[in-house]
Amino acid sequence: AQSVTQPDIHITVSEGASLELRCNYSYGATPYLFWYVQSPGQGLQLLLKYFSGDTLVQGIKGFEAEFKRSQSSFNLRKPSVHWSDAAEYFCAVAQRAGAGSYQLTFGKGTKLSVIP
Amino acid sequence: DTAVSQTPKYLVTQMGNDKSIKCEQNLGHDTMYWYKQDSKKFLKIMFSYNNKELIINETVPNRFSPKSPDKAHLNLHINSLELGDSAVYFCASSPGDSSLTDTQYFGPGTRLTVL
Repeated sequence: AQSVTQPDIHITVSEGASLELRCNYSYGATPYLFWYVQSPGQGLQLLLKYFSGDTLVQGIKGFEAEFKRSQSSFNLRKPSVHWSDAAEYFCAVAQRAGAGSYQLTFGKGTKLSVIP
Repeated sequence: DTAVSQTPKYLVTQMGNDKSIKCEQNLGHDTMYWYKQDSKKFLKIMFSYNNKELIINETVPNRFSPKSPDKAHLNLHINSLELGDSAVYFCASSPGDSSLTDTQYFGPGTRLTVL
């Protein structure tokens, strides 16, 4: 069965500093990987996704992620963090479940705090 | 326009009651999902429907029953509520073209508190 590990429960960075959130996956086939963000009291918003091709994926809000098969990782990065980036970040891997459905398995999330 | 909407946003109820959470999407998607997010923010799939047909039915108590009256709606009915059912429940939808490149779009969540 697939699984996702986010080793960091909570990360604090200063505004303007760079950010890297770690994600490791376990999946037998080619992984389909996602990063979602959840702002306080809100639903989940897709930041970016990886299916194939270029291993460096660009997303919204200035985020990018790099897929490294050899390390089973899909780390999320941002060169300069803004106070509005404070949120919970979830990495997920998808597996086909049946007609028109696929199952997202999420990591336990990393909470990002930003110091002004 | 809200793409995936849920009602109510907050639900506080007593143990043993029966309650429903409604979900509607106006994206024209064929597939809808229910997820549960526990107090530690862990998200887990519960159900999915494609064109009103149940596809994913994870190990959840049979007190939870999803109902899909049409492609745009997926409601969650919970019987005999227990303290452990307290959580945030998220609805999501995706185009449902059987491609893993689909994106799931999430609703704002319903925070259920069982007293």
